[in-house]
Amino acid sequence: ETGVTQSPTHLIKTRGQQVTLRCSSQSGHNTVSWYQQALGQGPQFIFQYYREEENGRGNFPPRFSGLQFPNYSSELNVNALELDDSALYLCASSFGKTYNEQFFGPGTRLTVL
Amino acid sequence: AQSVTQLDSQVPVFEEAPVELRCNYSSSVSVYLFWYVQYPNQGLQLLLKYLSGSTLVESINGFEAEFNKSQTSFHLRKPSVHISDTAEYFCAVSEGYNFNKFYFGSGTKLNVKP
Repeated sequence: ETGVTQSPTHLIKTRGQQVTLRCSSQSGHNTVSWYQQALGQGPQFIFQYYREEENGRGNFPPRFSGLQFPNYSSELNVNALELDDSALYLCASSFGKTYNEQFFGPGTRLTVL
Repeated sequence: AQSVTQLDSQVPVFEEAPVELRCNYSSSVSVYLFWYVQYPNQGLQLLLKYLSGSTLVESINGFEAEFNKSQTSFHLRKPSVHISDTAEYFCAVSEGYNFNKFYFGSGTKLNVKP
């Protein structure tokens, strides 16, 4: 059984650029959630996708957007990067719309200069 | 919206000593409660969870947490810690009607010393 994988592991961008982060969910999972973990803080919920549709969103501006593909992998896109977007971005996969355990990937470390 | 408070950002403790990591949440509505552990350069791993039923929940590696509704707390305890327990621990809450959205605390770094 393959766990949750994320790519890339590290990324450096400059202010104003756009970035795409990728997540492959665990086998059999159809729900993906994205979190932002700033340095010294806990993860903050960005949004969740269930079977290719957005299923809940946190307090993040519209320049944070996402996609889920038919194979349930997912992308997080951030436009017009700001310095405060520097963080560890975590993806978690689970099964179903009701509660089931989320399995987290190792994260992508984004640095915005 | 929920807020989750972990008052202790760092907890140093000697090996084989007991430890308690505190977690309080803001809302008294129906909640699900979780503790996650994060080892360096790794993602979060679920340690234990409370969904319903017995208010005392246990993990396979000796941690336990008790849901206290009146005090809106879900403190994590271990009677005897090991060096390998050194990690950062996060408390998380999801509201029963919106279980998809998890609110995390700011984390507590547990540093077990020999």
